[in-house]
Amino acid sequence: GENVEQHPSTLSVQEGDSAVIKCTYSDSASNYFPWYKQELGKGPQLIIDIRSNVGEKKDQRIAVTLNKTAKHFSLHITETQPEDSAVYFCAAAGGTSYGKLTFGQGTILTVHP
Amino acid sequence: DTEVTQTPKHLVMGMTNKKSLKCEQHMGHRAMYWYKQKAKKPPELMFVYSYEKLSINESVPSRFSPECPNSSLLNLHLHALQPEDSALYLCASSQDPRDRTDTQYFGPGTRLTVL
Repeated sequence: GENVEQHPSTLSVQEGDSAVIKCTYSDSASNYFPWYKQELGKGPQLIIDIRSNVGEKKDQRIAVTLNKTAKHFSLHITETQPEDSAVYFCAAAGGTSYGKLTFGQGTILTVHP
Repeated sequence: DTEVTQTPKHLVMGMTNKKSLKCEQHMGHRAMYWYKQKAKKPPELMFVYSYEKLSINESVPSRFSPECPNSSLLNLHLHALQPEDSALYLCASSQDPRDRTDTQYFGPGTRLTVL
């Protein structure tokens, strides 16, 4: 089945800096890669996703890049704000694990004012 | 509107109790999911319902019993739980069960504590 590795496990930045979180996946058949943000006491919220026919997608301060050859994808947050502080999970789907999102282990992002 | 609602928000139960978790969505989604999430870990898939039928059971103990009464509702019946079952239980839904890459939308979760 699919395996997703996520790095780093914790990331601390100053307000206004950029933050980058990286994920690698093992199943070359996976073709859908969502990113979720989870704040304390809440459920995961989809913030951006990318499909394998696209190399990059941007939504305001958030961007995701995908390299299918290397089987890795990354989340980029620019001009970070304290409200960006949360746990971020990458995930992969569409491969051999039917109906299943395979999550990375999560990154705790802290943005210091 | 991409809202999935879950009740209750918090639940404390003893090991001999029977309780139920409820999930609701009105987006017309035909796939619904139960996940379990322990602290500082990613969500773990428990069950998937496709068109109101159970399609995936990730080898979950029988003390967890899912039910999908209609296309908008998903229940998780709990009986004789163990303290290690304490966790955040998340419900999610997606539009088309035939699409392996369909976006899943999560509810806020029920925080369960088993004493």
